[in-house]
Amino acid sequence: KQEVTQIPAALSVPEGENLVLNCSFTDSAIYNLQWFRQDPGKGLTSLLLIQSSQREQTSGRLNASLDKSSGRSTLYIAASQPGDSATYLCAVSPGYDYKLSFGAGTTVTVRA
Amino acid sequence: EAGVTQSPTHLIKTRGQQATLRCSPISGHTSVYWYQQALGLGLQFLLWYDEGEERNRGNFPPRFSGRQFPNYSSELNVNALELEDSALYLCASSLGTNSYNEQFFGPGTRLTVL
Repeated sequence: KQEVTQIPAALSVPEGENLVLNCSFTDSAIYNLQWFRQDPGKGLTSLLLIQSSQREQTSGRLNASLDKSSGRSTLYIAASQPGDSATYLCAVSPGYDYKLSFGAGTTVTVRA
Repeated sequence: EAGVTQSPTHLIKTRGQQATLRCSPISGHTSVYWYQQALGLGLQFLLWYDEGEERNRGNFPPRFSGRQFPNYSSELNVNALELEDSALYLCASSLGTNSYNEQFFGPGTRLTVL
């Protein structure tokens, strides 16, 4: 059974600092990995998808890396802003199935 | 382009009743997924429908069921509601089995069981 872990559970940084969020998974036979953002009580917003054959993806201030062999992904958010405050979730999709297995998330607070 | 839509936004039921939740996928998407986000339990996979067929279900009792209609919209039914069914129910859609399976989520339905 795939287990997804996100560390730290919570993070508080001053505005302008770079954010580093970690995700690890136990089964390296994944199809892809997705990073999401969730605001309190809301649905999920897809941030980045990394296919299993890729090592990183970038979108604006966001960059996500994937190391399948070690079962790790890292989401970097450059020059954080108060609007980046949210819970960030990573999820992996196994090669044989399309359901997503989620980590518990990292709750980020960016202080103005 | 419209995103994934879900209705109702909120639903309040009592124990033993039935709840019906609805989801409309992004135009062109054939796969619909249902997830439960209960307090303290994280996001759990419930059901996956593609091209009208149930493709997979998570570790939930049979009183959780659903279907996908010819227009690819979907319905989740929860029978004999229990207090622990209170949660945010999220629907997602993707292009289906011949894609990279990037899933896009709706705003959710908050189900409260009293």
